Amino acid sequence: DAKTTQPTSMDCAEGRAANLPCNHSTISGNEYVYWYRQIHSQGPQYIIHGLKNNETNEMASLIITEDRKSSTLILPHATLRDTAVYYCIVRVPNTGGFKTIFGAGTRLFVKA
Amino acid sequence: NAGVTQTPKFQVLKTGQSMTLQCAQDMNHEYMSWYRQDPGMGLRLIHYSVGAGITDQGEVPNGYNVSRSTTEDFPLRLLSAAPSQTSVYFCASSYGRGNYGYTFGSGTRLTVV
Repeated sequence: DAKTTQPTSMDCAEGRAANLPCNHSTISGNEYVYWYRQIHSQGPQYIIHGLKNNETNEMASLIITEDRKSSTLILPHATLRDTAVYYCIVRVPNTGGFKTIFGAGTRLFVKA
Repeated sequence: NAGVTQTPKFQVLKTGQSMTLQCAQDMNHEYMSWYRQDPGMGLRLIHYSVGAGITDQGEVPNGYNVSRSTTEDFPLRLLSAAPSQTSVYFCASSYGRGNYGYTFGSGTRLTVV
């Protein structure tokens, strides 16, 4: 699976959009981009995933560049409860060697 | 629907002791995995399974054994606990078909003294 690069930490003002970038320049054509977050010491929580089209759900939007070498997770109106570590992962789904490898992630601080 | 259930939530072991961390899911998920997370660090994959009777090693498998006799359960066994295994352990599961994300349990906090 391709490697990802994320900033170590970011700040965001409460009520503003939080834009979290992820680079995955070695992504292959059948690898999907997944985002998870981990609030304090809880188990990680799945947020969203996509292949090449932009995706939106009740939690966030995922923007993937046309060349698929990078993506951005957007939390449209960040709240204090969105303070967490956000992980960007790329992997091939439905493979016999399925495994999801987490990197260090981005620590997002939402400030009042 | 309880999701992914991990027991115990907390455990203290002495060096050399063995124990089994339990993980059960009631969502009929085919894929299950075990991760460990050391303080201030990301998650590292220990072992994973793509279905009953099938397991494979992750990034850090040494010192741990797994088995998958049923779809629902995926226990993690520590053979001879060492202080380096002090960590928080997370179990996760997912559907095998389709593009689904993982559902994680709430974790087991293990201290080896």
